[in-house]
Amino acid sequence: GDSVTQMEGPVTLSEEAFLTINCTYTATGYPSLFWYVQYPGEGLQLLLKATKADDKGSNKGFEATYRKETTSFHLEKGSVQVSDSAVYFCALSGDRSGGSYIPTFGRGTSLIVHP
Amino acid sequence: DAGVIQSPRHEVTEMGQEVTLRCKPISGHDYLFWYRQTMMRGLELLIYFNNNVPIDDSGMPEDRFSAKMPNASFSTLKIQPSEPRDSAVYFCASSITGGGRNTEAFFGQGTRLTVV
Repeated sequence: GDSVTQMEGPVTLSEEAFLTINCTYTATGYPSLFWYVQYPGEGLQLLLKATKADDKGSNKGFEATYRKETTSFHLEKGSVQVSDSAVYFCALSGDRSGGSYIPTFGRGTSLIVHP
Repeated sequence: DAGVIQSPRHEVTEMGQEVTLRCKPISGHDYLFWYRQTMMRGLELLIYFNNNVPIDDSGMPEDRFSAKMPNASFSTLKIQPSEPRDSAVYFCASSITGGGRNTEAFFGQGTRLTVV
């Protein structure tokens, strides 16, 4: 079945450092890929998404590129802020060609940014 | 739209009591999901509905757990009797299909359940 693997955390960075959180997936067909963010005490909210190969999703300075050849969707940000401290989830959902509509989530990666 | 609405936000109950969690999905969405989040197990899918019909409840941990969706705008997750190991944050989420794909899932704020 579908699965998502993301790097374990916590990831601890200083403010203005470069961020990469790795995510790889296994899925049939051509899934849509997502990054969600969860701030303390809140639900998950969509950060960015990409629906086909080579698409780049971006939002709030975060970017991720859909790489079908490496089945990856790594999250990057050039300069993190303290306010980016949260848990980040990589996820996928399939398409009509055979994948499941049901979103599959990674385990989440905690990011801690120090001033 | 106000988004996915869950109630209550916090629930503290004694072991053995019945607990009912409530969810109002986004209007027009055809999928509804119930998740449980704990430090140990992460985010677990408990059950999901499509057009108000339960499709897969294989994630429901025990017969003590049950879920219903009587109409397109309301769902409940019930635990009876509750046990301390049920303590977790329970999320409801909804999504809509279109163009052969599902949109992203929209999550509620969650219900933090503590069973003492």
